[in-house]
Amino acid sequence: NAGVTQTPKFRILKIGQSMTLQCTQDMNHNYMYWYRQDPGMGLKLIYYSVGAGITDKGEVPNGYNVSRSTTEDFPLRLELAAPSQTSVYFCASSYLRSSSGNTIYFGEGSWLTVV
Amino acid sequence: AQTVTQSQPEMSVQEAETVTLSCTYDTSESDYYLFWYKQPPSRQMILVIRQEAYKQQNATENRFSVNFQKAAKSFSLKISDSQLGDAAMYFCAYKGGSEKLVFGKGTKLTVNP
Repeated sequence: NAGVTQTPKFRILKIGQSMTLQCTQDMNHNYMYWYRQDPGMGLKLIYYSVGAGITDKGEVPNGYNVSRSTTEDFPLRLELAAPSQTSVYFCASSYLRSSSGNTIYFGEGSWLTVV
Repeated sequence: AQTVTQSQPEMSVQEAETVTLSCTYDTSESDYYLFWYKQPPSRQMILVIRQEAYKQQNATENRFSVNFQKAAKSFSLKISDSQLGDAAMYFCAYKGGSEKLVFGKGTKLTVNP
């Protein structure tokens, strides 16, 4: 059971370039999330999805786009990379409220540097 | 909107001693979940302990326990018999009806040998 898998783990981008962070989960979770963590800070929600075909903005969505065509996958796209997007990105997933305890499971993070 | 506050940016403890990390939150909801996550230098987010708001009994996981005070909106984490491997950033988090996890800014815990 792989859990939540993110790729790539490390990436350096030039200003203005585009890229997609991939995220997949094999736990059949309804909910998926993208967070970013700036140095010395907590995690801030970028986008989230409550199921295939449904996405919604979080606290810091500007500069990002997402899609959720399947239950398993939730890619995050950066269209025009800016230095302010240098951060560690975490994908996460969870079940809809149930006896499972509502735990959110995190991927290992993707370190992105924009130069 | 819900907020989570961790008032201690840094804490330190001697190995084998006990330390308590503080967390307060603000919400108008009655049904929610609270979590403590540990983040070592690898940046991996590791669930330490979870508390359901409707449960009066404080959650316990081995050396980790919480003091959940619902009326005061307080959710502190106690680490007993601290070990060197406990050194990390600790994040308090809230999850309510919106299903979004809201994090505090974290507390950096240092364990001294």
